[in-house]
Amino acid sequence: GAGVSQSPSNKVTEKGKDVELRCDPISGHTALYWYRQSLGQGLEFLIYFQGNSAPDKSGLPSDRFSAERTGGSVSTLTIQRTQQEDSAVYLCASSLDKGRRNEKLFFGSGTQLSVL
Amino acid sequence: QQPVQSPQAVILREGEDAVINCSSSKALYSVHWYRQKHGEAPVFLMILLKGGEQKGHEKISASFNEKKQQSSLYLTASQLSYSGTYFCGTGPDSNYQLIWGAGTKLIIKP
Repeated sequence: GAGVSQSPSNKVTEKGKDVELRCDPISGHTALYWYRQSLGQGLEFLIYFQGNSAPDKSGLPSDRFSAERTGGSVSTLTIQRTQQEDSAVYLCASSLDKGRRNEKLFFGSGTQLSVL
Repeated sequence: QQPVQSPQAVILREGEDAVINCSSSKALYSVHWYRQKHGEAPVFLMILLKGGEQKGHEKISASFNEKKQQSSLYLTASQLSYSGTYFCGTGPDSNYQLIWGAGTKLIIKP
């Protein structure tokens, strides 16, 4: 596609339910990032995928959060047993490569998650 | 360790200039600037690298002071389209991830 695509754009769920958020990066981008953006806050790093390397999961806030990336393309972020504090915008970004300091990120429009 | 952005918010008239600052407590190797409009994806503006190399737009420029560990974004003759929240990201960190500031909300009025 022309850009990074995320779905759904909005998700309302009940506390305790599981949710899956999807990210379809730009074709050919080997690096994929997940960020969480709470109201009035900056971007909080969650997880990073680069090619076939083991993902960097250092930003995941708890073991209720997990993510996978199939075939080096589409990624799914799963939140189990959602809590109200999980409510936020979840942004996905992709880029061509890793490790270079001048790397431009391409963001999706995000998924607004609301946990009731 | 999150970089500090200032001001938190600013309101300008169209045509006025704006300066947004980003300060870090850690040594900087690069500073990335993005703009995000409400409900939209953050959009790349500028990357500044240690050593002075700069990339970006024409009417939007930036400085990178390695000694002071800070960067400033300059918006000249602001346009209505400049409205949005500006984020700086500093890096790379030890795990190659950018660390983001909380953002500066810029409102441009006609």
